[in-house]
Amino acid sequence: DQQVKQNSPSLSVQEGRISILNCDYTNSMFDYFLWYKKYPAEGPTFLISISSIKDKNEDGRFTVFLNKSAKHLSLHIVPSQPGDSAVYFCAASVNQAGTALIFGKGTTLSVSS
Amino acid sequence: KAGVTQTPRYLIKTRGQQVTLSCSPISGHRSVSWYQQTPGQGLQFLFEYFSETQRNKGNFPGRFSGRQFSNSRSEMNVSTLELGDSALYLCASSLEDSKKLFFGSGTQLSVL
Repeated sequence: DQQVKQNSPSLSVQEGRISILNCDYTNSMFDYFLWYKKYPAEGPTFLISISSIKDKNEDGRFTVFLNKSAKHLSLHIVPSQPGDSAVYFCAASVNQAGTALIFGKGTTLSVSS
Repeated sequence: KAGVTQTPRYLIKTRGQQVTLSCSPISGHRSVSWYQQTPGQGLQFLFEYFSETQRNKGNFPGRFSGRQFSNSRSEMNVSTLELGDSALYLCASSLEDSKKLFFGSGTQLSVL
């Protein structure tokens, strides 16, 4: 049973527009969420995170929104750039679980120029 | 600062063999985690080591084991390899109590 779901396997966006990647979770015990991006032949790279006590966190072009009642989070990239083309993973964690992250299966973002 | 280093980059083994993968964390990082990535299951947590002690373990059979040395370097071992063990094995390091993981490029294991 998937506890973290990324229901869109792929997303195509034009350069300069907004990219919105979505993630749903089922475990209400999750209290920390992260987004990673992965380029081919490389390991995932940390992008941005959010604690369950917040509903928004921004870092430059990247903003993560958390809706606890809906058990939903989203990553907004504005403006999207061709270099953003990668696989994006949503991950969740319970505080006591150390570095044991539960990952979604990823969304492949393609940004065209 | 050097990143997380995993060796070897690629590995081919046959069923029944065993394999050892190595991971050198970022200098100063004492937590090392291992993940398995497959097309069907995605990224799955194997185990975490901190100060030479296993701190957390994922839902994998006992054939999967690991250890951490005093210099924080880590190894994972898979015994009696099965075809389904073919995967990308990723090592990640982090500062104590941080969930911000820094991943290596992984070891691609193929079991024939």
